[in-house]
Amino acid sequence: KQEVTQIPAALSVPEGENLVLNCSFTDSAIYNLQWFRQDPGKGLTSLLLIQSSQREQTSGRLNASLDKSSGRSTLYIAASQPGDSATYLCAVVFGNEKLTFGTGTRLTIIP
Amino acid sequence: NAGVTQTPKFRILKIGQSMTLQCTQDMNHNYMYWYRQDPGMGLKLIYYSVGAGITDKGEVPNGYNVSRSTTEDFPLRLELAAPSQTSVYFCASSAGRGNTEAFFGQGTRLTVV
Repeated sequence: KQEVTQIPAALSVPEGENLVLNCSFTDSAIYNLQWFRQDPGKGLTSLLLIQSSQREQTSGRLNASLDKSSGRSTLYIAASQPGDSATYLCAVVFGNEKLTFGTGTRLTIIP
Repeated sequence: NAGVTQTPKFRILKIGQSMTLQCTQDMNHNYMYWYRQDPGMGLKLIYYSVGAGITDKGEVPNGYNVSRSTTEDFPLRLELAAPSQTSVYFCASSAGRGNTEAFFGQGTRLTVV
């Protein structure tokens, strides 16, 4: 079964720290992986898309990496700010065309 | 561009009633998806479509039906609503497999009482 897992489910860090969110997937035959942010009661905002042929993507303070062989991706957030507090979701397009989500990591940045 | 538009934003249904959640995208995307998100949980795939006339089941299709008669529209039909279908429903679209980003609507919050 094709699954996406995100651990931990929740994370709290002091403002200013760098942090890493983890995503793992069970099938290395993927088309792409996408990181989203979701604020409480809101929709999903796309952060970064990594194609299957890429190793990483960067946008501002965010850097996402992809290691297909080990079935892992990480989202690195530099110099965290209270406004970064949200739930971060990882989603993978597997070979059967399905866009499959992990359960998310709820991030709290402590001022 | 409007992107992905979902209607309605909120709806309260009585047990046994039926309704259709509408989803429209104006990006000429072939791929469209319907998800549900229960409180504190991730998104679970209900149905998806890789083009007009083609649909397939996701993880949790029971109690739902879809159709895809045009590229733009992908309605989700709930027949005989049950309390277990209380959830937030999201529609998404993408240009296709591979190097394409998925875009999401703002969601429909459905309560079945």
